[in-house]
Amino acid sequence: DQQVKQNSPSLSVQEGRISILNCDYTNSMFDYFLWYKKYPAEGPTFLISISSIKDKNEDGRFTVFLNKSAKHLSLHIVPSQPGDSAVYFCAAGGNEKLTFGTGTRLTIIP
Amino acid sequence: DTGVSQNPRHKITKRGQNVTFRCDPISEHNRLYWYRQTLGQGPEFLTYFQNEAQLEKSRLLSDRFSAERPKGSFSTLEIQRTEQGDSAMYLCASSPGGSYQPQHFGDGTRLSIL
Repeated sequence: DQQVKQNSPSLSVQEGRISILNCDYTNSMFDYFLWYKKYPAEGPTFLISISSIKDKNEDGRFTVFLNKSAKHLSLHIVPSQPGDSAVYFCAAGGNEKLTFGTGTRLTIIP
Repeated sequence: DTGVSQNPRHKITKRGQNVTFRCDPISEHNRLYWYRQTLGQGPEFLTYFQNEAQLEKSRLLSDRFSAERPKGSFSTLEIQRTEQGDSAMYLCASSPGGSYQPQHFGDGTRLSIL
């Protein structure tokens, strides 16, 4: 039973445009949500997080939006850069452990 | 900040052998986590420690798996009598503890069972 779902396995975006990655979850006990970026042969790198008491968090080019009623979160990257090409994982936490989605491969087209 | 360090980076072994992986967390991080990742999937939680205490274990962690963090610093994950299905990337993460603290991952140990 996938409690965290990333329904788009891949996404291609033109350099300079906005990238929007989506994530859905089913467990209403999750109260902390994170996005990680992963390059080949490296571990996941923490990007940005949001707690369930907020609906938006920004850090530079990255913004995460949380819609608790829809159990949906999204990551916006603007403007997209070639170095953003990677696999992005959405993760949700409650009692310390994280539950991850299956990832979305983002390709930025120069 | 030296980051989370995992050794070895790669391990190839025959089925039935025992293997041990090591994780050195970010210094002063009192929480340490082990995850497993297979192709096309996200990391799956295995177990975590607060200091030297192992506080939670996943059902994925069969009795062939054991993890320790004897002095609350580095941790080891041992797999006994390895099976083909154990082939995966084993990831370690650490966090400073407290609410809403992100986990920071190492680059993992890739295990291949022949």
